[in-house]
Amino acid sequence: GAVVSQHPSRVICKSGTSVKIECRSLDFQATTMFWYRQFPKQSLMLMATSNEGSKATYEQGVEKDKFLINHASLTLSTLTVTSAHPEDSSFYICSARIMGVSYNEQFFGPGTRLTVL
Amino acid sequence: AQSVTQLGSHVSVSEGALVLLRCNYSSSVPPYLFWYVQYPNQGLQLLLKYTTGATLVKGINGFEAEFKKSETSFHLTKPSAHMSDAAEYFCAVSEGGYNKLIFGAGTRLAVHP
Repeated sequence: GAVVSQHPSRVICKSGTSVKIECRSLDFQATTMFWYRQFPKQSLMLMATSNEGSKATYEQGVEKDKFLINHASLTLSTLTVTSAHPEDSSFYICSARIMGVSYNEQFFGPGTRLTVL
Repeated sequence: AQSVTQLGSHVSVSEGALVLLRCNYSSSVPPYLFWYVQYPNQGLQLLLKYTTGATLVKGINGFEAEFKKSETSFHLTKPSAHMSDAAEYFCAVSEGGYNKLIFGAGTRLAVHP
């Protein structure tokens, strides 16, 4: 149980294009999902917290107009990197928190590696 | 503000030896503490967590960690390393039940024959 999937697992795009990454909780409902970014050999940095049916909360320094987050249902959140540039190349990981659980246990997706040419 | 310090970005042990990965945290309220493991090009998998209660926590794959409030530590141990334990390990803290996770920088564990 508690499986989170991400699609795609890898994506290569040209500079200036937009890329959408999906995060799904497969066997549970998640009112809250999180989006992280991980640079090579570094830790995870929280980008934003996504709540179903409301606007995402972005961390300081993260451009909300560049990283669009939509959490349209209890099992799906999407991250769209708009007008991607090479510096946006990174490993993007989502996580989901089970509805009703009293502590902050997050289940992580397998990640999406974005390469912007 | 919360923070997590993982001492040692790289740890190397022999197969069968004790694994000790260090984690110290700072938190203004009783923390929730987590250890995650990450294999190359994969997401994170929860090894174990401390929320309340017993301070010695047992997790998957033979790992355990002890919450020591006086030392603000949550070190991860395993009595006998296996080759399959080679991975990146992250310690994380959350203040209270619903606040965000703050991750340490990670420790890469290498296991050699």
